[in-house]
Amino acid sequence: GAVVSQHPSWVICKSGTSVKIECRSLDFQATTMFWYRQFPKQSLMLMATSNEGSKATYEQGVEKDKFLINHASLTLSTLTVTSAHPEDSSFYICSAGTNEQFFGPGTRLTVL
Amino acid sequence: QKEVEQDPGPLSVPEGAIVSLNCTYSNSAFQYFMWYRQYSRKGPELLMYTYSSGNKEDGRFTAQVDKSSKYISLFIRDSQPSDSATYLCAMSLEVAGKSTFGDGTTLTVKP
Repeated sequence: GAVVSQHPSWVICKSGTSVKIECRSLDFQATTMFWYRQFPKQSLMLMATSNEGSKATYEQGVEKDKFLINHASLTLSTLTVTSAHPEDSSFYICSAGTNEQFFGPGTRLTVL
Repeated sequence: QKEVEQDPGPLSVPEGAIVSLNCTYSNSAFQYFMWYRQYSRKGPELLMYTYSSGNKEDGRFTAQVDKSSKYISLFIRDSQPSDSATYLCAMSLEVAGKSTFGDGTTLTVKP
């Protein structure tokens, strides 16, 4: 099946720094990718829809200036958490697909 | 009220048991219904994918969708310890569209 990768798999950073997470579709092209966030023992919450060549669409309550999304090519979307704070610590997961959604392995962000 | 409600669990069953996992939803526009399995600290893995109402079987797994009742189920027959994981239901309006997830049910199958 189709593969979606994420990098890094985990990251620890200091409060106030910015962190970039990459999501790649390895064997197919994705005009749309989705970014989710999952807190411990909770479900996946959609943050935004990443659109290749245009602006991302953010879900209600998600700060677009804090979570910057860039979908510069048909195989790569990046999520940058700017000025990260401890409350941004979470598991970030992307997905992509044409006939079905394939999820990446996730990136665990810990902000100290 | 959440758009998707999932029986919370956790569930603990003996090996070989039949497991039933269930979700209800409120948005009648949902057309695509998915079940994912998620192991700790991993991304979700698609198990079953159903369009509209009906049943779908894949090995030991059977997915049922009843759109009239806004109710979906996943049945696992002859459950194995390797089935121990968190199971998430998800729904979307369009094929491969953004999904709305249930909160997940954690299943433990004891040998």
